[in-house]
Amino acid sequence: QITLKESGPTLVKATQTLTLTCTFSGFSFNTGEVGVGWIRQPPGKALEWLALAYWDDDRRYRASLRNRLTITKDSSKNQVGLIMTNMDPDDSGTYYCARAYSSGWGFDHWGQGALVTVSS
Amino acid sequence: SYELTQPRSVSVSPGQTVTIPCSGDDLGHKYVSWYQQKTGQTPVLVIYQDTRRASGIPERFSGSTSGNTATLIISGAQPMDEADYYCQAWDSSIAWVFGGGTEVTVL
Repeated sequence: QITLKESGPTLVKATQTLTLTCTFSGFSFNTGEVGVGWIRQPPGKALEWLALAYWDDDRRYRASLRNRLTITKDSSKNQVGLIMTNMDPDDSGTYYCARAYSSGWGFDHWGQGALVTVSS
Repeated sequence: SYELTQPRSVSVSPGQTVTIPCSGDDLGHKYVSWYQQKTGQTPVLVIYQDTRRASGIPERFSGSTSGNTATLIISGAQPMDEADYYCQAWDSSIAWVFGGGTEVTVL
């Protein structure tokens, strides 16, 4: 059974740095062309892809947020992290981590999501 | 930046067929996935690689692509299909891009 779970603060202040961790089970980065990514969703708005770490240490980022994002990968712990700097109230929303079995296969398993509120 | 366009909402009567379009430049040459998100729930993968149904998804869901448009088709819509549906495209140049979502109402 594949599971993913996000953890991290529920409240951060504007200008601070957000650090989230995704801990997963039921697969590993040795499974194949696996990637684990982060997607966020502001309240009442659409999904927005942020970043993804591939099995081979390649990393991809949303171009418009590239200078604020870092995705980390710890294969030994089955964890992927997201670091987002200079948080703003507009960054509030639910942050999901999700697995992509292969790039063109979509995100087939999702975590429950972590609600993050940025206070001004 | 690359954008995918979806209608904000569509409605369908129970048992009828509804189509949800998703348009983007050269979309036919990218991999398209579709997700269903019910209110307060996590997104669920419905279609991947344009036309392939994800595990556990009913046969009434199907996908197609032609030119710059991908389409999610729900044949014989059920009340349980009420949800927001998001298209998502991938290729090596754009990475992952989601559309704005379409609210489907079954009434």
